[in-house]
Amino acid sequence: AQKITQTQPGMFVQEKEAVTLDCTYDTSDPSYGLFWYKQPSSGEMIFLIYQGSYDQQNATEGRYSLNFQKARKSANLVISASQLGDSAMYFCAMREGSGGSNYKLTFGKGTLLTVNP
Amino acid sequence: AAGVIQSPRHLIKEKRETATLKCYPIPRHDTVYWYQQGPGQDPQFLISFYEKMQSDKGSIPDRFSAQQFSDYHSELNMSSLELGDSALYFCASSSYGTSKHEQFFGPGTRLTVL
Repeated sequence: AQKITQTQPGMFVQEKEAVTLDCTYDTSDPSYGLFWYKQPSSGEMIFLIYQGSYDQQNATEGRYSLNFQKARKSANLVISASQLGDSAMYFCAMREGSGGSNYKLTFGKGTLLTVNP
Repeated sequence: AAGVIQSPRHLIKEKRETATLKCYPIPRHDTVYWYQQGPGQDPQFLISFYEKMQSDKGSIPDRFSAQQFSDYHSELNMSSLELGDSALYFCASSSYGTSKHEQFFGPGTRLTVL
């Protein structure tokens, strides 16, 4: 079974509007972390935001916020006031566990966001 | 701020040749991860090292090997290259002591096998 599911292969948004990118996850581990990365066409992976499974509040980083609904196992990324430079592939990823030295990330298939002027 | 350094950034090889990819983690980061991202695919975990010891292994072919050296840099060695090895290879580093275990990615090495 897919551990990370991103159901939107592509999304379009008008400049200055808000957009929500969906992510659902599957884990039986009580301790986990959820990440969002942005990958522009140039290829680099840019960290955007993190949410820990025990965090009480939704994470926010500037124009990025994470709508974390633990019971539904969803961690949607909200980008406010979209900019043309936000056009990129967005990956949701999860690391499981809280012990040891292994925190490999499992990625979803990604959502390609296009911001229209 | 210092970032993860990967070299080379681009590499073109012929089938059956070998390739060595290098990764220099952020200073004071003790963990290195390698990921492979095929064209149009999501990154897939290959292997990780913590304090110079292999900590986990993913879907890494037997033709590939990796190690982390005393200065914490890591190398991914790929032999008998196949066309399907063409991909973007990321190295990421993290610090075991942080609560987020956030991984910082390097710019990637784009390997093309002809």
